[in-house]
Amino acid sequence: AQSVSQHNHHVILSEAASLELGCNYSYGGTVNLFWYVQYPGQHLQLLLKYFSGDPLVKGIKGFEAEFIKSKFSFNLRKPSVQWSDTAEYFCAVNSGGYQKVTFGTGTKLQVIP
Amino acid sequence: DAGVIQSPRHEVTEMGQEVTLRCKPISGHNSLFWYRQTMMRGLELLIYFNNNVPIDDSGMPEDRFSAKMPNASFSTLKIQPSEPRDSAVYFCASSLGYEAFFGQGTRLTVV
Repeated sequence: AQSVSQHNHHVILSEAASLELGCNYSYGGTVNLFWYVQYPGQHLQLLLKYFSGDPLVKGIKGFEAEFIKSKFSFNLRKPSVQWSDTAEYFCAVNSGGYQKVTFGTGTKLQVIP
Repeated sequence: DAGVIQSPRHEVTEMGQEVTLRCKPISGHNSLFWYRQTMMRGLELLIYFNNNVPIDDSGMPEDRFSAKMPNASFSTLKIQPSEPRDSAVYFCASSLGYEAFFGQGTRLTVV
């Protein structure tokens, strides 16, 4: 069975600081990987996705993630965060088949002005 | 497309009452997911359908919960009888390939 681990539950950063959120998955086969963002009071929205090809994926709002197959990781990064990035971030994995998407427990990011 | 549409957006009900949450997936999508989100447990997958057929309902907490998908454009999640611990935000999502698109959610409060 596939699973996703997000080790940081709550991260607090000052504006302009760099961000890296960890995500590890467990599944031995081909995977599709996602990062979703949930702004306060809103639904989950896709930030970026990886299916194949270049392991460095660029998403919206300056976010990027790198797929490292040997480490089963898909960490999310942003060079300089803004107050508006305050949200909860979810890593997710899908291993094809019936397209079940498994989510991590989420990381709450708080950016202090 | 209007996206995934859920109704109602908010529901307040008394313990013991039946609650029905509704979801209209994006037209053409063939997978539908019901999630529950709480502060304590985070985002939990309750059940998902593929081509209107329930594929995995192992996340459904107990027999009080049931979900149906009578056709490709409509699904319901029913709780009967409801309990205060069912209070949560319930999200519906749909997918065609691999990316899931989420609805705005239904905030359920059972008092």
